[in-house]
Parts: sequence; C-alpha cells; structure tokens
Amino acid sequence: QVQLVQSGAEVKKPGSSVKVSCKASGGTFSTYAVSWVRQAPGQRLEWMGGAIPMFGTTNYSQKFQGRVTVVVDESTSTAYMDLRSLTPDDTAVYYCVFGALPLHYFDSWGQGTLVTVSS
Amino acid sequence: EIVLTQSPGTLSLSPGKRVTLSCRANQSISSNYLAWYQHKVGQAPRLLIFGASTRATGIPDRFSGSGSGTDFTLTISRLEPEDFAVYYCQQYGSSPATFGGGTKVEIK
Repeated sequence: QVQLVQSGAEVKKPGSSVKVSCKASGGTFSTYAVSWVRQAPGQRLEWMGGAIPMFGTTNYSQKFQGRVTVVVDESTSTAYMDLRSLTPDDTAVYYCVFGALPLHYFDSWGQGTLVTVSS
Repeated sequence: EIVLTQSPGTLSLSPGKRVTLSCRANQSISSNYLAWYQHKVGQAPRLLIFGASTRATGIPDRFSGSGSGTDFTLTISRLEPEDFAVYYCQQYGSSPATFGGGTKVEIK
C-alpha cells in the first residue's frame, strides 16, 4: 500500500488560488490513479477530480470543471491539486487518494490538508 | 449523480454490541461498486469494504458488508473500543464517485 504525504495547511484570500501537493512512497506511482477528495465543515466527502499518470489523462467533477487542475510529476512521485477563484465555501480539508482509477474505491489516503479561505 | 443516504445519523452503543449501518442509493449502483470507510478525527479515512462485501487488506473479520442494487449494509459483529468513529459509504459505479453523509458510532 502506498503512503501519501501532503503539504501543510494554507490560509488564502477569496479570489486567490491554492496548490496542494501529495508525495507518494512505497509503491509504483504510475500504476495508480490519483484523485482529490475534499470535506468542508459539516459536509460529506466530495470527489473533485483525478488523473491517471500512466495514460496522461485527467477527469474532473462537473462541479469543479474549469476551476481545478490535477497534475502529476512522475519523476518525483508527486501529485498536485490547483484550485482557483477561491471562495469561503472552499474552506475544507483536502485529501489526495489513490485507487486503480479515478472512478474507483480509494485504498490509500493522504493525511489531509486544511485550506481556509477568509478575508 | 447518485445520492447516497446513510442511516442512522448517530448510533450510541456499548462495546461488544452488534452494529448495522445502512446506505441507500437513489438509483441502482452498477456492479455493486460500493465501498465503506472508517474515519476517525484527525486521521485519514480507512478503506474497510469494497465491491459491497470484500474486506480490504488487514480489516478484521468482525466487519462485513452486504447488499445490492440500492440498499447496502455494513455490519460490525461486536464493537471494539477502536471502532468508535464515523463510517461513510461511497459508490464508484457511476461518475462522479459520491459519498454518503456518514453515520457516527459513539460510545454510550
């Protein structure tokens, strides 16, 4: 099982962007699909989008389409999630997760990164 | 998208009790692609069950999953102190993957 370590907490202003990283170890990075899942306070977990490094493909939830980008750097086994045009509603814990596909169950999770959006 | 409704919202139980958690979908889940996770405060969620009934690696056999179509159940045969947590179901049969609202199992 791959281990995932995410970057630290962020505080952002409305209208800005945030980039969260996720470094993998203990597995063959390119054989997994990496997705990002978030949980806002009091809300359910929410899949945002994902990438399959082996095929160089990405797909995103319609809710976040155009506002989120998932990028994978295979040379460093690191995935990144970039979320733009932040609003206070984007305040959440963001998790990177690994599965066989973006549409799959997730058997490895990062520790989570709290992103707070506040003026 | 598929909406998952979990019930009850909260369960207050004593260690040693049997627990049954429900996850209901608003439409049939393809190939019973339904997973369950355990989530403790300050930790990442942990995969318990996938494919509705297959235990993930290292998950004790007191955890079992069942169901098909739109109705699924997670059963904990005998609650251990470390089982008090929030449990989420997730479907991955239809894009986007979606999660239920969770059931909190707390100590009575």
